Amino acid sequence: AQSVTQLDSHVSVSEGTPVLLRCNYSSSYSPSLFWYVQHPNKGLQLLLKYTSAATLVKGINGFEAEFKKSETSFHLTKPSAHMSDAAEYFCVVKGEGKTSYDKVIFGPGTSLSVIP
Amino acid sequence: KAGVTQTPRYLIKTRGQQVTLSCSPISGHRSVSWYQQTPGQGLQFLFEYFSETQRNKGNFPGRFSGRQFSNSRSEMNVSTLELGDSALYLCASSSPLDQDGNEQFFGPGTRLTVL
Repeated sequence: AQSVTQLDSHVSVSEGTPVLLRCNYSSSYSPSLFWYVQHPNKGLQLLLKYTSAATLVKGINGFEAEFKKSETSFHLTKPSAHMSDAAEYFCVVKGEGKTSYDKVIFGPGTSLSVIP
Repeated sequence: KAGVTQTPRYLIKTRGQQVTLSCSPISGHRSVSWYQQTPGQGLQFLFEYFSETQRNKGNFPGRFSGRQFSNSRSEMNVSTLELGDSALYLCASSSPLDQDGNEQFFGPGTRLTVL
């Protein structure tokens, strides 16, 4: 069975400092992993995805994530936080099974606050 | 290219009623998935439709159903509404051409309130 754990329900950083949002997953197969961001009253937007290519994945808005199989982790980072980064972030695992349209599991989310 | 659209954006119903939500995917996308988002349970997968067939289903009671039309538009129906059905319902579409990872594009959601 697949599962996703986001270790922090809330993270607060100062503007201009690094961001680290942690995600650990469990999957019997080689999963596809995603990070989505949700701003208040807006839909979910894909930040980046890992699909068994390069383990360091670069996304939009300066975010990147590193897939570490030995640690079953897919942490999201950004070198310097911006006020506009304040949002809810979801780590997602997908891909257990034979088809590429298998059930998607969302993590519980991490709320990121950016202090001016 | 227009994004995923969902109608209505807001809905208020009373217990016992039924509701139908609509989702229009991005042009050319044939897969439509539905999710329920609540503060307590987070984002939960409801079901996925592809070419008018339900391909995957989450762990929701039979009161939740859906369908997809030949133009890929999808509807979700909830019968005998309960207070706990109050949630943001999100629709996402993806293209079968995107085989690696199947990026999903989400609509803004329908906010359902059950009184």
